Amino acid sequence: EVQLVQSGAEVKKPGESLKISCKGSGYNFRKDWIGWVRQMPGKGLEWMGIIYPDDSDTKYNPSFQGQVTFSADKSINTAYMQWSSLKASDTAIFYCARYTNYFDYWGQGTLVTVSS
Amino acid sequence: QSVLTQPPSVSGAPGQRVTISCTGSSSNIGADYDVHWYQQLPGSAPKLLIYGHDNRPSGVPDRFSGSKSGTSAFLAITGLQAEDEADYHCQSFDRRLGFYVFGSGTKVTVL
Repeated sequence: EVQLVQSGAEVKKPGESLKISCKGSGYNFRKDWIGWVRQMPGKGLEWMGIIYPDDSDTKYNPSFQGQVTFSADKSINTAYMQWSSLKASDTAIFYCARYTNYFDYWGQGTLVTVSS
Repeated sequence: QSVLTQPPSVSGAPGQRVTISCTGSSSNIGADYDVHWYQQLPGSAPKLLIYGHDNRPSGVPDRFSGSKSGTSAFLAITGLQAEDEADYHCQSFDRRLGFYVFGSGTKVTVL
């Protein structure tokens, strides 16, 4: 069974750094793209970008380029997204999902709250 | 402002048919890129509902169907049930932007 399990909710202050994770199981993790999707409070879904774990090739939505960094450790089937300096406007739920021309399996989401 | 426009809400009585539109342009749906649909139940992660315009993953009831015409795609729910109350999102690729885009999302309410 394909599963993506994300790290738990985070509460951070503006300016702090953060790295959240997404661990895959039940399939060949390194050979399928993993995507990240943002959902701000009460809003729709936004495609942030994708990463190919086998070689860490990445494709960013220009709106998020430079704001977040994707990475992956294929040895432990885990993808990451990190911020170096959070802003209040980064408050959202972030989902990872396996991408095979569409997002067919999703993680449960990680709620990130940024507040002073 | 989403590149793919959906009605904010649609509603119907149990057993009725509802249709959700996803209106794009010649740089996405009209360029024949695949359209996918996701269902997001309250408080849950999205779930793939329809892929490639009108294909259902295993386990998705055949009450859900997808179609496309010109620069728009449509999700139809027939025999509406209380458990269908959720947000529905369309997704496609936009060649002008060069990345994938989601629709603005539609909340389905079962009366």
